[in-house]
Amino acid sequence: AQSVSQHNHHVILSEAASLELGCNYSYGGTVNLFWYVQYPGQHLQLLLKYFSGDPLVKGIKGFEAEFIKSKFSFNLRKPSVQWSDTAEYFCAVNPSGNTGKLIFGQGTTLQVKP
Amino acid sequence: GAGVSQSPSNKVTEKGKDVELRCDPISGHTALYWYRQSLGQGLEFLIYFQGNSAPDKSGLPSDRFSAERTGGSVSTLTIQRTQQEDSAVYLCASTAKVSTNTGELFFGEGSRLTVL
Repeated sequence: AQSVSQHNHHVILSEAASLELGCNYSYGGTVNLFWYVQYPGQHLQLLLKYFSGDPLVKGIKGFEAEFIKSKFSFNLRKPSVQWSDTAEYFCAVNPSGNTGKLIFGQGTTLQVKP
Repeated sequence: GAGVSQSPSNKVTEKGKDVELRCDPISGHTALYWYRQSLGQGLEFLIYFQGNSAPDKSGLPSDRFSAERTGGSVSTLTIQRTQQEDSAVYLCASTAKVSTNTGELFFGEGSRLTVL
């Protein structure tokens, strides 16, 4: 079945540690890719997106993600996390040609210890 | 309004009762989505409206679930004869542009449904 998989369900890091959250999808062809973030008590918001062009995408708050087509992956990275990055992170895919339906992964809870 | 508005923010109901959840999208947004967020399950797509087109209902888990969107704006998600497994946060989102390059979804705060 077509799906989006996030490998890490719960990640705990200390401040200044580097972060990489995995995301793989199983859709063929052209896709649009997203990372959304949900900070405690807040609504989901867009962190970054990839439609085309440079496969290394930079988002808000120092986050970036790399699209590797051959691996069907769109991993999220940040060189040095902060306590304020504690949140739940969702990878999402919009299979091109599918008019708007975003398929989300299960989410990864990131806890950053001060 | 400035953002997507959902009501109620919290709803506790008894098993077997019907519930209605409301979503008021951002003004001018033509596309509206309902998702369900359960603990450890991520976001599950339920239904999607785009303008005057027939909605994509492919994510509705059973015929107890239905949704409508009146006048291309406000949407109501109805769950009939609620079951305990319906307990979740129901999220609404809207977006202005829908094409093969879908833009950002703007989410509401969600409606937390608890079925006793």
